[in-house]
Amino acid sequence: GAVVSQHPSWVICKSGTSVKIECRSLDFQATTMFWYRQFPKQSLMLMATSNEGSKATYEQGVEKDKFLINHASLTLSTLTVTSAHPEDSSFYICSAPPAGPQETQYFGPGTRLLVL
Amino acid sequence: RKEVEQDPGPFNVPEGATVAFNCTYSNSASQSFFWYRQDCRKEPKLLMSVYSSGNEDGRFTAQLNRASQYISLLIRDSKLSDSATYLCVVNIRGGTYKYIFGTGTRLKVLA
Repeated sequence: GAVVSQHPSWVICKSGTSVKIECRSLDFQATTMFWYRQFPKQSLMLMATSNEGSKATYEQGVEKDKFLINHASLTLSTLTVTSAHPEDSSFYICSAPPAGPQETQYFGPGTRLLVL
Repeated sequence: RKEVEQDPGPFNVPEGATVAFNCTYSNSASQSFFWYRQDCRKEPKLLMSVYSSGNEDGRFTAQLNRASQYISLLIRDSKLSDSATYLCVVNIRGGTYKYIFGTGTRLKVLA
């Protein structure tokens, strides 16, 4: 099946640091990728839709200046958490739909961010 | 009201039991439907898509009722390995497509 990778899998950083998370589709091209955040004992919440070659579309309540998304190629999207604070500590997961955004999505293994 | 709502759970059932999960969605622009399972501290993995006519995959049966905006998942002959959180997922078409997740129902199958 389709494979999506994320890097890094774990990040521990000090408050005020910026953290970059990469999401790659390994065996298919994705014009659209999605970024989610999951807090403990809660479900996944869509943060933004990453569009190759254009600006990301952010969900209501998600600060675009804090969560910078770059979809520079058909296989790579990056999420940068700028000036991270403890409340940004969460499980960040990306996904990509091999057959187009209306079809099944495959998820990366996620990145656990802990901001001290 | 949340866009996708699921049974609160948790469900604790003995091995071999049959268990059913329900899910309702509120957005009439919902196009496609899925069940994912998520193990603790892992990413969601696709369990099955849900088709209008209903579909079965081994011990798992999914049903969709578009008129009632209701989705179900039935697990027969539960195994210990079925213990996980089951996520109802709706793909909504607005300007673009996007997945909306239900809160998930936790299942624990007991020996």
